[in-house]
Amino acid sequence: KAGVTQTPRYLIKTRGQQVTLSCSPISGHRSVSWYQQTPGQGLQFLFEYFSETQRNKGNFPGRFSGRQFSNSRSEMNVSTLELGDSALYLCASSLAGQGAGTGELFFGEGSRLTVL
Amino acid sequence: AQTVTQSQPEMSVQEAETVTLSCTYDTSESDYYLFWYKQPPSRQMILVIRQEAYKQQNATENRFSVNFQKAAKSFSLKISDSQLGDAAMYFCAYKGRDDKIIFGKGTRLHILP
Repeated sequence: KAGVTQTPRYLIKTRGQQVTLSCSPISGHRSVSWYQQTPGQGLQFLFEYFSETQRNKGNFPGRFSGRQFSNSRSEMNVSTLELGDSALYLCASSLAGQGAGTGELFFGEGSRLTVL
Repeated sequence: AQTVTQSQPEMSVQEAETVTLSCTYDTSESDYYLFWYKQPPSRQMILVIRQEAYKQQNATENRFSVNFQKAAKSFSLKISDSQLGDAAMYFCAYKGRDDKIIFGKGTRLHILP
């Protein structure tokens, strides 16, 4: 079974631009969560989508948004990029959502965003 | 709000030795899950071990075991017979009633040959 796939793996943007990251979950998984990973802050929760609905949201500004499609694939978008948005963005899928069962997450390898 | 604290940013251990990674958390809830995740240099995070708060018995997975002290809100990970492949970032995580999974800042573990 294929794992969680994130694209692109690496990207470089300049301040003020916007970026869209994509995540394809494990087949059959309906929940997709997004995390921002930085050396100083560890993993910070962005949001979780389940069956095309946002179920949970972290404490990030409105520049960070996401969506989920009917095939469970998810995208996250960051508008008006700032230098501090440079990070590894991790996507994780689970069978029935963070609130179900044991909540184990299956992670992708991440998208490394650099903002210049 | 719940918080997860890993007080050791980096640790080193000799190959074949035992190492313990610390994690404390803050919560007012009584039912929750705790996790240790491993992120090797290739960056794909994987689950190492899981503990349900209502279970008093400490979870064990092969060379990995936890010391869960509910009253002290402590959840340490012990790695026995450390191997080179254990070198990674280790994240402690908490899942409570609001269904979010909150991670600590991580501990980078180095294995010395």
